[in-house]
Amino acid sequence: KQEVTQIPAALSVPEGENLVLNCSFTDSAIYNLQWFRQDPGKGLTSLLLIQSSQREQTSGRLNASLDKSSGRSTLYIAASQPGDSATYLCAVSGTYKYIFGTGTRLKVLA
Amino acid sequence: EAGVAQSPRYKIIEKRQSVAFWCNPISGHATLYWYQQILGQGPKLLIQFQNNGVVDDSQLPKDRFSAERLKGVDSTLKIQPAKLEDSAVYLCASSLSDGASPLHFGNGTRLTVT
Repeated sequence: KQEVTQIPAALSVPEGENLVLNCSFTDSAIYNLQWFRQDPGKGLTSLLLIQSSQREQTSGRLNASLDKSSGRSTLYIAASQPGDSATYLCAVSGTYKYIFGTGTRLKVLA
Repeated sequence: EAGVAQSPRYKIIEKRQSVAFWCNPISGHATLYWYQQILGQGPKLLIQFQNNGVVDDSQLPKDRFSAERLKGVDSTLKIQPAKLEDSAVYLCASSLSDGASPLHFGNGTRLTVT
């Protein structure tokens, strides 16, 4: 059974800092891994999707990496801004469905 | 491209009452998901449709929850009767196909059961 863990559960950083969010999964037989952002009271917004054959994906200040063999993914945020404050969730897909982690709540201080 | 539409945005009901949520996926998306997200937790899959057939409903409390996707497009999720522990955000998502395509989410329905 696939289990997805995100550490830390919460993170507070000063504006401008580079930061890394972690996502671990127990079953390496995945189709892809997707990172989402969730603002309070809102749905999930897709940030990046990494196919199982890929190592990383980049979008603007965001870079996500995937290491299937070790069951890990990281989301790197460069030069963080107060607008980046949100909850970040990773989800892995395999055997038809997506399994989510519990998220990392990020606060970027101005 | 229009996103996933959900309604209502908020609903407050008393325990033992019934409630229904509606979802319209992105046009052309064959797969539709209903997730339950309790405060502080990640979304939990309740049911997954491929066109109008059920792929996975293993975590759906079938004694009180039901869902349908008529004609393979819109979907409704119903709770009857509601319990206090059903208070959560109910998220609808869709994708082109299951597993390999990115998920697109609606804004969700926040349900409060008193």
